[in-house]
Amino acid sequence: GAVVSQHPSRVICKSGTSVKIECRSLDFQATTMFWYRQFPKKSLMLMATSNEGSKATYEQGVEKDKFLINHASLTLSTLTVTSAHPEDSSFYICSARMDSSSGYTFGSGTRLTVV
Amino acid sequence: AQKITQTQPGMFVQEKEAVTLDCTYDTSDPSYGLFWYKQPSSGEMIFLIYQGSYDQQNATEGRYSLNFQKARKSANLVISASQLGDSAMYFCAMSPLNTGGFKTIFGAGTRLFVKA
Repeated sequence: GAVVSQHPSRVICKSGTSVKIECRSLDFQATTMFWYRQFPKKSLMLMATSNEGSKATYEQGVEKDKFLINHASLTLSTLTVTSAHPEDSSFYICSARMDSSSGYTFGSGTRLTVV
Repeated sequence: AQKITQTQPGMFVQEKEAVTLDCTYDTSDPSYGLFWYKQPSSGEMIFLIYQGSYDQQNATEGRYSLNFQKARKSANLVISASQLGDSAMYFCAMSPLNTGGFKTIFGAGTRLFVKA
């Protein structure tokens, strides 16, 4: 089945630094990947749609300059949280799917803690 | 506008019994897909079952079945013979099929507790 690998699973960083999160589709090509953010005990919030070879599409209210997305190949999308602040602490998760009739495969998520 | 509603923030079920998790949706798209995901405490999201809006039969996957009532815009998940390992958060989701963008929206989730 489709596998999406996300790294790192946990990261603690100092306020003001940047953190990069990788999302890889291991056995299929994903022209589109999605990045979500989940607050404690809440649903997933779509942050942006990552498109291979073009700019990401951000949802309303998501800062493009803070959450940089790069989808350089058909199997890799990265989310960089720039100049992180404690309020950016959250669970970030990516997803992709093989085709329109298959379920989304999610990465294992990244728990970001900014101190 | 699209919307997914899960009205049960928490549910309890006795081990080995069946449980239904409710999900209603609203969309203007003529074709769409409905999904259920399980999220254990570890945070990962596990795909459970898929139902296409034009599928004639309700989807089933092992102990999971989807009670799809298109006219009522509901897509309830039925888990039969509950197991302790079923305790988790469950999300209903919907994605339009005609845009190619595969965007998905999620409901607020239902936390299921299976009692021994």
